[in-house]
Amino acid sequence: DTGVSQNPRHKITKRGQNVTFRCDPISEHNRLYWYRQTLGQGPEFLTYFQNEAQLEKSRLLSDRFSAERPKGSFSTLEIQRTEQGDSAMYLCASSKNQGGSETQYFGPGTRLLVL
Amino acid sequence: AQSVTQLDSQVPVFEEAPVELRCNYSSSVSVYLFWYVQYPNQGLQLLLKYLSGSTLVKGINGFEAEFNKSQTSFHLRKPSVHISDTAEYFCAANSGGYQKVTFGIGTKLQVIP
Repeated sequence: DTGVSQNPRHKITKRGQNVTFRCDPISEHNRLYWYRQTLGQGPEFLTYFQNEAQLEKSRLLSDRFSAERPKGSFSTLEIQRTEQGDSAMYLCASSKNQGGSETQYFGPGTRLLVL
Repeated sequence: AQSVTQLDSQVPVFEEAPVELRCNYSSSVSVYLFWYVQYPNQGLQLLLKYLSGSTLVKGINGFEAEFNKSQTSFHLRKPSVHISDTAEYFCAANSGGYQKVTFGIGTKLQVIP
């Protein structure tokens, strides 16, 4: 299977700890996205990369959040000093730049619980 | 700003009955529309998409959707549902050239045996 993969699938942490999630996109996809999904809501956009460049960040992405895609392949999302409100499913998606008609393909997500 | 409205948070339906999940969008520019399905504890799977052309779009698992520009709707339909269709369905939209996808809050489809 060459779909989008995310690790870990689940993470339980204590408030104040740092966590890091990894996303491996579909290999030929140059765009990568992070979304957050809380209970009872649809996914909300956090940020996106084209190759290694981070082109847009949502206001939802506070200073405690940082995302990287150092070589234009996999990406990491780090949350520092986690808070209980950070508990959510973090979804990664990737797409191939096709001039506006592209489709985003999603990974299985990382479910974070902050105690 | 673009928005996507899913009018029904939950839709119960008997097995083998037809179903329609409603979705309306707002956009002042050309729009691309998607339906995704999410099974419990899993990520999103693309069901179908409208980019251009025919307004009736067929997707996987027997689902189809019709793009109606005058009513700004993109309702999802299936003529006969199965137990395995029980899941949450998300309508999504993005405007050409703008990469952020906006999702609705989702509709939980519960198929009753």
